[in-house]
Amino acid sequence: AQSVTQLDSHVSVSEGTPVLLRCNYSSSYSPSLFWYVQHPNKGLQLLLKYTSAATLVKGINGFEAEFKKSETSFHLTKPSAHMSDAAEYFCVGYPTGGFKTIFGAGTRLFVKA
Amino acid sequence: EAGVTQFPSHSVIEKGQTVTLRCDPISGHDNLYWYRRVMGKEIKFLLHFVKESKQDESGMPNNRFLAERTGGTYSTLKVQPAELEDSGVYFCASSQGGTAAWGIQYFGAGTRLSVL
Repeated sequence: AQSVTQLDSHVSVSEGTPVLLRCNYSSSYSPSLFWYVQHPNKGLQLLLKYTSAATLVKGINGFEAEFKKSETSFHLTKPSAHMSDAAEYFCVGYPTGGFKTIFGAGTRLFVKA
Repeated sequence: EAGVTQFPSHSVIEKGQTVTLRCDPISGHDNLYWYRRVMGKEIKFLLHFVKESKQDESGMPNNRFLAERTGGTYSTLKVQPAELEDSGVYFCASSQGGTAAWGIQYFGAGTRLSVL
């Protein structure tokens, strides 16, 4: 079955330090992969998307993700965390040619002052 | 531009009652999706509309759930009768058609449903 796995349910970093949120996908995908962020009481917001044009994808707010086919990974990174980055992050995939969105379980990011 | 709007934001009902959730997508978005997140679990796809037609409803849990999208605009999701396990947050999202916008969904803030 196609799946998206977020490897950490919680990540805690200090403000100004790098952020790494990990996501693996099942290799049966011809993947279209996305990262979304959800702040409290808000809807999910798109951070970035990968659709095979480039393996390194830049998104909003300084986030980027690298698609690594050999590792079936699509990890989200940011060089320097800000307090406003504290939120829940979702790695999302679509099966080939389909719309049946598949979500990872989410990673809650905590940012310490 | 208005975003995706869902209401109510919270609903508390008793087991056996009926609840109707509403979603107003972004104007002009042909695609509309419903999702559910049960506490502690991942967000699950329920169904997908293209305009007024159900494109994929394979994620609907059972026949107590009925989704409609009259005229291809707003959508409703009715649960009748509600059971305890229906509790969770129900999200709606919409997206444009076309290649460039493919896969980019705009989400509402969700409706938190509590069935007691």
